[in-house]
Amino acid sequence: ETGVTQSPTHLIKTRGQQVTLRCSSQSGHNTVSWYQQALGQGPQFIFQYYREEENGRGNFPPRFSGLQFPNYSSELNVNALELDDSALYLCASSPGLAGVGEQFFGPGTRLTVL
Amino acid sequence: SQQGEEDPQALSIQEGENATMNCSYKTSINNLQWYRQNSGRGLVHLILIRSNEREKHSGRLRVTLDTSKKSSSLLITASRAADTASYFCATAYSGGYNKLIFGAGTRLAVHP
Repeated sequence: ETGVTQSPTHLIKTRGQQVTLRCSSQSGHNTVSWYQQALGQGPQFIFQYYREEENGRGNFPPRFSGLQFPNYSSELNVNALELDDSALYLCASSPGLAGVGEQFFGPGTRLTVL
Repeated sequence: SQQGEEDPQALSIQEGENATMNCSYKTSINNLQWYRQNSGRGLVHLILIRSNEREKHSGRLRVTLDTSKKSSSLLITASRAADTASYFCATAYSGGYNKLIFGAGTRLAVHP
């Protein structure tokens, strides 16, 4: 059974650019959640995708958007990057909605915005 | 803003000692979960306790939940150097399952 994978591992962008991060969920999981974790902080919930539709969103502006595909993998897109977007981006998959039970996290993508 | 607040922010102990971390939250929950994170990597689920449960055990871990005080504690007994990590509590609102809100975490250092 393959765990949650994320790509790329590290990424460096400049302010104003756009970025796409990818996540492959664990087999059998239909829900993917995305989190932003700034250095020394806890993960902040960005949004959740359940069966290809957004289902729950945190306090993030519309320039943070996502997709979930029929195989339940997911993308996080961030437009007009700002310096404060520098963080570790984590995705987590689960067999049901976030909060119902255990979430399985990927290793994260470290984004640096210069 | 984050739902949970962990206390202490950092904890340093010797191997063999017990480590206790506390979490407080603000609104009614369906469940509370504890996760562990090593050096900025992905999080690993440790234990889930439901709002109608008061205590739960898993190996060397013991979690308590007091819904009247909106607080939880995680006890790690007989700590090992390998327990060195950050520990986070996460809550699922009783209003729905579409969010999991994490606290800021406790950084635990266990010295050999």
